[in-house]
Amino acid sequence: DVKVTQSSRYLVKRTGEKVFLECVQDMDHENMFWYRQDPGLGLRLIYFSYDVKMKEKGDIPEGYSVSREKKERFSLILESASTNQTSMYLCASTSMNTEAFFGQGTRLTVV
Amino acid sequence: QKEVEQNSGPLSVPEGAIASLNCTYSDRVSQSFFWYRQYSGKSPELIMSIYSNGDKEDGRFTAQLNKASQYVSLLIRDSQPSDSATYLCAVTPRGSSYKLIFGSGTRLLVRP
Repeated sequence: DVKVTQSSRYLVKRTGEKVFLECVQDMDHENMFWYRQDPGLGLRLIYFSYDVKMKEKGDIPEGYSVSREKKERFSLILESASTNQTSMYLCASTSMNTEAFFGQGTRLTVV
Repeated sequence: QKEVEQNSGPLSVPEGAIASLNCTYSDRVSQSFFWYRQYSGKSPELIMSIYSNGDKEDGRFTAQLNKASQYVSLLIRDSQPSDSATYLCAVTPRGSSYKLIFGSGTRLLVRP
């Protein structure tokens, strides 16, 4: 059974904190993605990675960074959390031209 | 223009009817097309993938792709209340076989 696992289901952080969201996949997929989902805005791509140590900005990278030191793990970092980063964060992984498998999502609240 | 566009809905259909969901995309040479279903509070799950022009059927679901007109649609036959969800269209754009762009989704409501 394929699996994408996000480290937390719910997180509450304070403004200005550094926040780490972790994602691990066990399918040996090359590609991993971080999206955020907000009501009415759908899934917006923050960053993606197509190989270890390789990353590309998506549509809304401002305020975020990522790290991919190992093939199975892709981390999203909020350097200084702000209230407008309160959202549902979804990690996904794919292989070439195949479907994306999603993690269970992390609902982050920044207070 | 958004890369992938969907009508946000809600699309309301009676139980047993055919639900038709549509998606248009801007990149003419997009390669791969996917339909995902997302229940409230849950992650998206894949329903259908389609790569070439024409129809692809899987049970009650049919995906239709028309690359000349740059649209992809999803038909749900014999709609059930359990089909009530948000349906997301996703496209792999030109020159980036590993990038996946989603539309904002169409909310479907199937009335018992």
